[in-house]
Amino acid sequence: DTAVSQTPKYLVTQMGNDKSIKCEQNLGHDTMYWYKQDSKKFLKIMFSYNNKELIINETVPNRFSPKSPDKAHLNLHINSLELGDSAVYFCASSQETRDLAYNEQFFGPGTRLTVL
Amino acid sequence: GQNIDQPTEMTATEGAIVQINCTYQTSGFNGLFWYQQHAGEAPTFLSYNVLDGLEEKGRFSSFLSRSKGYSYLLLKELQMKDSASYLCAVTDSNYQLIWGAGTKLIIKP
Repeated sequence: DTAVSQTPKYLVTQMGNDKSIKCEQNLGHDTMYWYKQDSKKFLKIMFSYNNKELIINETVPNRFSPKSPDKAHLNLHINSLELGDSAVYFCASSQETRDLAYNEQFFGPGTRLTVL
Repeated sequence: GQNIDQPTEMTATEGAIVQINCTYQTSGFNGLFWYQQHAGEAPTFLSYNVLDGLEEKGRFSSFLSRSKGYSYLLLKELQMKDSASYLCAVTDSNYQLIWGAGTKLIIKP
């Protein structure tokens, strides 16, 4: 009965590799998100996506790309991994419409990425 | 720019009361959230305020003053399990959620 799930939970890889993190939600939500939380614990939005619109945080390098095969899934693909990409990546979802301010977000358990 | 300020860290004693403040400057306002995040875990929803005043939910209460761009989270009868980070987040005029850096709350026996 997991609401938002992510795999893998831990990911250790070498610089320069390409990796993907998968996210699935079974809440029937319209919008999904990817966040990066660095060692200073600051949550930084990377992407928000629904079936109509992809919003990209302009500070996110284009090595990061979201891929959504369907409404319940939003995967994160990262090319040419760098040391600075080491962080915890959280997926989240919300039932959101443009005129709905109450967009409570439900978070996945996080993926701890370590780039060596 | 958009900015949310919270104290970095606070310490309190088990059984006591603690107030965590949050001030914000955002492009528009459509509500303020408080989330709790235990170490190594995902953030979880605590409260939502969109109108001025106090919202009470058990041991936790959240207050909002829109005119002052200010909110606080009040935790009563502190328990050791309340040791966590508390994140303030504001929905702006574009319905985007802007996050604060969080306040790490340490509870001592």
